[in-house]
Amino acid sequence: GAGVSQSPRYKVAKRGQDVALRCDPISGHVSLFWYQQALGQGPEFLTYFQNEAQLDKSGLPSDRFFAERPEGSVSTLKIQRTQQEDSAVYLCASSIQQGINEKLFFGSGTQLSVL
Amino acid sequence: KNEVEQSPQNLTAQEGEFITINCSYSVGISALHWLQQHPGGGIVSLFMLSSGKKKHGRLIATINIQEKHSSLHITASHPRDSAVYICAVRLVGGATNKLIFGTGTLLAVQP
Repeated sequence: GAGVSQSPRYKVAKRGQDVALRCDPISGHVSLFWYQQALGQGPEFLTYFQNEAQLDKSGLPSDRFFAERPEGSVSTLKIQRTQQEDSAVYLCASSIQQGINEKLFFGSGTQLSVL
Repeated sequence: KNEVEQSPQNLTAQEGEFITINCSYSVGISALHWLQQHPGGGIVSLFMLSSGKKKHGRLIATINIQEKHSSLHITASHPRDSAVYICAVRLVGGATNKLIFGTGTLLAVQP
């Protein structure tokens, strides 16, 4: 596709359930970012990949959060034993290179609601 | 205190008005981004600035590095400009394009 694609668009989970969120970046984009956006707030950084290497995971809020990008393209953000405070929109963004001022392209996000 | 502050948080304007949204930051940056987010939609990058001024159509973005301040202007505003406008900065010396975001300005342009 032409843009960054995320699925599912919406996810409702029961507390304690595991969820997996998918991001398909623009083909050929080296850099991939995951952000978490709580209601009424700006996005907050979770983790960063350069190709398949996870170079920065300093924003992951707990060890229940895990991200991977095994082949350097599609990425999955997994949240284990979901809690209500995990409810947010999870945004994926990619850029063509790891350059310092490369334009970022964002997906539409996955809205996660934990009941 | 947030490292990136935006004002106003909410803005209602009449169609045709000139709009200004402000962003102040407290850290050293190498670049500042202005982004647009429509309800239920993804984020679109409008501008990326490291100095001076950029213009695209009816949108103008300026940055004053010394004062750590940036503004986004919309001329001849239109209802389709209604969205959340977000300022985000990249820290100087950062190894990646990781951004720190402001909380956004919700703009509603009424016909």
